Amino acid sequence: QQPVQSPQAVILREGEDAVINCSSSKALYSVHWYRQKHGEAPVFLMILLKGGEQKGHEKISASFNEKKQQSSLYLTASQLSYSGTYFCGTPNFGNEKLTFGTGTRLTIIP
Amino acid sequence: NAGVTQTPKFQVLKTGQSMTLQCAQDMNHNSMYWYRQDPGMGLRLIYYSASEGTTDKGEVPNGYNVSRLNKREFSLRLESAAPSQTSVYFCASTPGWGFNADQPQHFGDGTRLSIL
Repeated sequence: QQPVQSPQAVILREGEDAVINCSSSKALYSVHWYRQKHGEAPVFLMILLKGGEQKGHEKISASFNEKKQQSSLYLTASQLSYSGTYFCGTPNFGNEKLTFGTGTRLTIIP
Repeated sequence: NAGVTQTPKFQVLKTGQSMTLQCAQDMNHNSMYWYRQDPGMGLRLIYYSASEGTTDKGEVPNGYNVSRLNKREFSLRLESAAPSQTSVYFCASTPGWGFNADQPQHFGDGTRLSIL
């Protein structure tokens, strides 16, 4: 099942914080986060594992909610380079592949 | 460091034509994947290969075939292209045999395919 991302789009000023959510109908045991700039390939940001361990970007963090059916990605003190579309990917039941959300478009303005 | 290389970068086809999209990785990864990306729909898995010599269907395999030529190369073939296959195609790879929840996907730059 495809995870649902929110918001669909957000515009922030440089230096503001951003939160992007990824929700599933089932408990998540892993969430991948990628950023894609227009016309480019998705780039790995981080992985959030079921125990809360994080692998990836130093300036980006993520967490699960209490039921582990939602993950939130936190971008603090956003920079112009943070602009792009953010995708979460969640493993399916058989652990065979990632299912990606439809993306959140983040625009950082000066 | 080339990473994952896809060719061609752009292609325009007529309905009914066939073509093969090429993907090669130089990271000694075992698993490789083909995705398509359409506006508003995110990335959807077409086929994947957990190791050399094996391939499996993903979410949207109809109209496509794949070949895992060797450990480095994984090609995607459209036998009879249809306008619905107009999309951006991304190849990706991961180190392990089969998908592993704690391994990031490394993507190529994509192939932009238009079918008229």
